[in-house]
Amino acid sequence: SQTIHQWPATLVQPVGSPLSLECTVEGTSNPNLYWYRQAAGRGLQLLFYSVGIGQISSEVPQNLSASRPQDRQFILSSKKLLLSDSGFYLCAWILSGAGRSSPLHFGNGTRLTVT
Amino acid sequence: AQKVTQAQTEISVVEKEDVTLDCVYETRDTTYYLFWYKQPPSGELVFLIRRNSFDEQNEISGRYSWNFQKSTSSFNFTITASQVVDSAVYFCALSEAEGAGFQKLVFGTGTRLLVSP
Repeated sequence: SQTIHQWPATLVQPVGSPLSLECTVEGTSNPNLYWYRQAAGRGLQLLFYSVGIGQISSEVPQNLSASRPQDRQFILSSKKLLLSDSGFYLCAWILSGAGRSSPLHFGNGTRLTVT
Repeated sequence: AQKVTQAQTEISVVEKEDVTLDCVYETRDTTYYLFWYKQPPSGELVFLIRRNSFDEQNEISGRYSWNFQKSTSSFNFTITASQVVDSAVYFCALSEAEGAGFQKLVFGTGTRLLVSP
């Protein structure tokens, strides 16, 4: 069966420091991968999605970037964190070609606090 | 553009009460899909149900039921005889139109449900 792992679970970082959040999926090949952010009092905002290695689409201009160096690995990064980057970051996956009727499967999330 | 509205920010009930979570959506698509997810305190999102736009039958799964009405663009979620374990944030989501054929979900802002003993 497929599983998704995110780490770290929690992170406290000072403003201006770099960021690297990692997500890996096991048990499937060539999944579509997503990064969502959940800010306090707001819904889930799609940040990035990827349909393959090295293929990244950005939904919202921001201080963050994403990379997919391997088929089942998705990384969210920042060179210099801002206070507004605080939030709960969720990675999600879906089978390639699954279509719009299929639900996304989410990881446990990373709670980022920028101080 | 697609949009999902969950007007109820937080609902508090006492155990065994019934509770309905509202979801209203906007889309120009004739074919679309709606979802409900549960986010317990641990944080992960758990998929509950999917409904396509051609199927307006209500669905019941144990204490959970869903009422889909295209005429009012609503997809409401009812928990019967609520329990403390139902305490969570519940998200409604709409599948966004995408020519590439892969999934992109637009989420509402969520409704926090607090069930007290």
